[in-house]
Amino acid sequence: IVLTQSPATLSLFPGEGATLSCRASQSVRSYLAWYQQKPGQAPRLLIYDTSTRATGIPARFSGSGSETDFTLTISSLEPEDFAVYYCQQRGTWPTFGGGTKVEIK
Amino acid sequence: QVQLQESGPGLVRPSQTLSLTCTVSGGSIRNDDYYWTWIRQHPERGLEWVGHVYYSGTTHSNPSLGSRVTVSLDLSKNQFSLKLSSVTAADTAVYYCARGDDVFGTEAFDIWGQGTLVSVSS
Repeated sequence: IVLTQSPATLSLFPGEGATLSCRASQSVRSYLAWYQQKPGQAPRLLIYDTSTRATGIPARFSGSGSETDFTLTISSLEPEDFAVYYCQQRGTWPTFGGGTKVEIK
Repeated sequence: QVQLQESGPGLVRPSQTLSLTCTVSGGSIRNDDYYWTWIRQHPERGLEWVGHVYYSGTTHSNPSLGSRVTVSLDLSKNQFSLKLSSVTAADTAVYYCARGDDVFGTEAFDIWGQGTLVSVSS
């Protein structure tokens, strides 16, 4: 299953909201996760099962969607939120999207 | 809390076998709620699942890597390992070990090691 993320880059000011998209080539039901990765660091799990926040993840991160179309929303960007975000599905074997970079405008 | 740490050579010659070990601390790998995974990231590129192993010993690997991948457990040392044979420059990447959650539907990777860069070069 191929995951396509858009946009590739999102340029925003701190305090603004961010909407990131992940589209699957076929249905993944609700089995989708989101990760955040900062330079030089391992990815960090944010959301799993489409909308469940992982332990310690702030409420400004939320996930939605189903089947083939999913969204990660960051309600108000904090300075530490500027990073690359990946979606991931389970399927027959795990695959990741190509990532969306959220950069400071 | 559970932590993962990769170890192994940072340089491998072409056609040789890449070998990495992940040491799990703060928890046991003898746990049916999780599985143990290798994921890699090519420079400036996205993430690619390599393979994983369950406590039962069942393994799965990325079909794109064919039969080159072996993932195994060492229960006595609380470690799991990756062997990737016949490497080429295309296998140069940061390799992460991670824990997969086998309880919830997505089977997401909730704990990651810091990653280790492996370069394939003569």
